[in-house]
Amino acid sequence: DIQMTQSPSSLSASVGDRVTISCRASQSISTYLNWYQQKPGRAPKLLLYAASSLQSGVPSRFSGSGSGTDFTLTISSLQSEDFATYYCQQSYRTSTWTFGQGTKVEIK
Amino acid sequence: EVQLVQSGAEVKKPGQSLKISCKSSGYTFGTYWIGWVRQMPGKGLEWMGIIYPDDSDTRYSPSFQGQVTISADKSITTAYLYWSSLKASDTAMYYCARHTIRADAFDIWGQGTVVTVSS
Repeated sequence: DIQMTQSPSSLSASVGDRVTISCRASQSISTYLNWYQQKPGRAPKLLLYAASSLQSGVPSRFSGSGSGTDFTLTISSLQSEDFATYYCQQSYRTSTWTFGQGTKVEIK
Repeated sequence: EVQLVQSGAEVKKPGQSLKISCKSSGYTFGTYWIGWVRQMPGKGLEWMGIIYPDDSDTRYSPSFQGQVTISADKSITTAYLYWSSLKASDTAMYYCARHTIRADAFDIWGQGTVVTVSS
């Protein structure tokens, strides 16, 4: 199985900050990497797919990069509505989509 | 509007059976995979399995193989998740989600179904 490890597990930041979340795969997954946002009590929402492609309707302050085993989600200027938990997910192995453990972004 | 609407919260006893549902609308149900994701209280997301409604091709995560059964009824555009004998450890929120080949990701999610298993 491909394991996905996110860091940090949580972070505190202020509105306007630049925030970076990392995701590492246990083996190379090319760019088969997706990012989701989940707010408390809500279903996850797809933010980016294929490592760097922005899902329709997602603000451009969200961006993604990386390939192989190391990936990054960046929020260029954190907004109040961005406080949430973020998950990476690999789609390299067909029919075995595994998630990272999540990174909680909290208000400083 | 494309949406997935899940059945309501359930409270069951250990050993009981349960089937929860995920009703789709706004797109051609048979031509998108539908997956199920578990989220235990205060924990992260776990992919359980997926079904292609057009031919009922079903895949399971090794962690959930034999523990649940995924099915679909194309005539009513609904996917299901079934337990034959619930355990307390099945207490969780369960989400269905549509998989899009374009992104190879889950782009539409149901609102979730809370399952509580307690004696």
